[in-house]
Amino acid sequence: DSGVTQTPKHLITATGQRVTLRCSPRSGDLSVYWYQQSLDQGLQFLIQYYNGEERAKGNILERFSAQQFPDLHSELNLSSLELGDSALYFCASSAGQGSNSPLHFGNGTRLTVT
Amino acid sequence: DQQVKQNSPSLSVQEGRISILNCDYTNSMFDYFLWYKKYPAEGPTFLISISSIKDKNEDGRFTVFLNKSAKHLSLHIVPSQPGDSAVYFCAASGVDSNYQLIWGAGTKLIIKP
Repeated sequence: DSGVTQTPKHLITATGQRVTLRCSPRSGDLSVYWYQQSLDQGLQFLIQYYNGEERAKGNILERFSAQQFPDLHSELNLSSLELGDSALYFCASSAGQGSNSPLHFGNGTRLTVT
Repeated sequence: DQQVKQNSPSLSVQEGRISILNCDYTNSMFDYFLWYKKYPAEGPTFLISISSIKDKNEDGRFTVFLNKSAKHLSLHIVPSQPGDSAVYFCAASGVDSNYQLIWGAGTKLIIKP
């Protein structure tokens, strides 16, 4: 058990809709990362928050947004959903800001857009 | 443009033998490399890492080798056990990636009994 909790585990929704994915980091970790994994692909970095502030941005679409709350949990909002947004979305947390702190991953949310 | 490549989508190894997973990268500014292991329906878990100042790092049955001139790293698992069957991802970071991890597509390792 990594200590990172993601909800929901599965989400099925229609094109054009909006969904919110939730992540609770491991106790004591200040950084939260969001990744997208499409079929048979590596993990694509979306965005990182550190102690409530945006730390780094990757290939995150403008239709996607995220935030980290004072209690350090994070939410990833996906709007105007398209079929191509179907993927596994992972949240990870780490103690520090940089990638030299190993990331601890949740079990992911599988999003299916129909 | 894939900066981190795992060219073998899958690898099958006999239990007890050595498993060697390979990873190539293109960015010479990468200075930190990691391997993660992923079971189905779970998130990746950290396995072992190496910084560019070293060429080898060992942790139990797992050893990572880094060849900077060839921009190549490998993960050796000796001896391979059935529980090692999983997807293995290599990842790299450096100043050019703003120290965010760049991931390979993964290699599925199957350990045959």
